[in-house]
Amino acid sequence: GENVEQHPSTLSVQEGDSAVIKCTYSDSASNYFPWYKQELGKRPQLIIDIRSNVGEKKDQRIAVTLNKTAKHFSLHITETQPEDSAVYFCAAPDDPLSNDYKLSFGAGTTVTVRA
Amino acid sequence: NAGVTQTPKFQVLKTGQSMTLQCAQDMNHEYMSWYRQDPGMGLRLIHYSVGAGITDQGEVPNGYNVSRSTTEDFPLRLLSAAPSQTSVYFCASSLRGREVTEAFFGQGTRLTVV
Repeated sequence: GENVEQHPSTLSVQEGDSAVIKCTYSDSASNYFPWYKQELGKRPQLIIDIRSNVGEKKDQRIAVTLNKTAKHFSLHITETQPEDSAVYFCAAPDDPLSNDYKLSFGAGTTVTVRA
Repeated sequence: NAGVTQTPKFQVLKTGQSMTLQCAQDMNHEYMSWYRQDPGMGLRLIHYSVGAGITDQGEVPNGYNVSRSTTEDFPLRLLSAAPSQTSVYFCASSLRGREVTEAFFGQGTRLTVV
């Protein structure tokens, strides 16, 4: 199955600065890369995703970039705000050539935005 | 539209007890799954189902059973609870089509086994 590694495990940034989280994956056939945000005590929720036919996708202050050659994708948060403090998970299909839609998740990054 | 609903929200079990975590979705999603979340380990897949009557094992299936008699419901059964099963459990569902789509998560069940 897919092996997804996520770095760093914790990230502390000053409000207004940028945050970058990077994930690597092992299966070159992977074609879908979502990012989930989990606030304390809440459920994970999708914030952005990217498919393998594009290299970058933006949604207001968040963006995801994909490098298929190097097999890594990154989440970028600009102008960070206190409400961006959360745990962020990346994921990739566990068996992209199958039709069973399993996702493998990274271990998570705890982002703290300092006021 | 309630989305994915899990019950209970909290549960304390004694070692050896059994229980069922309930999960229901009203979005007509074919794909449903159960994850457990432990500190520093992300979300690990326990069992999943691609449709009614079909289930399969994930990464950490030991000690858990599932069934999928309807599209809406996907209960997770702990056969004989152990302290190692203390965790937060999430049920998720997604549309099953030509491509992988967004997974919608339930609110989670925090389980403590003493």
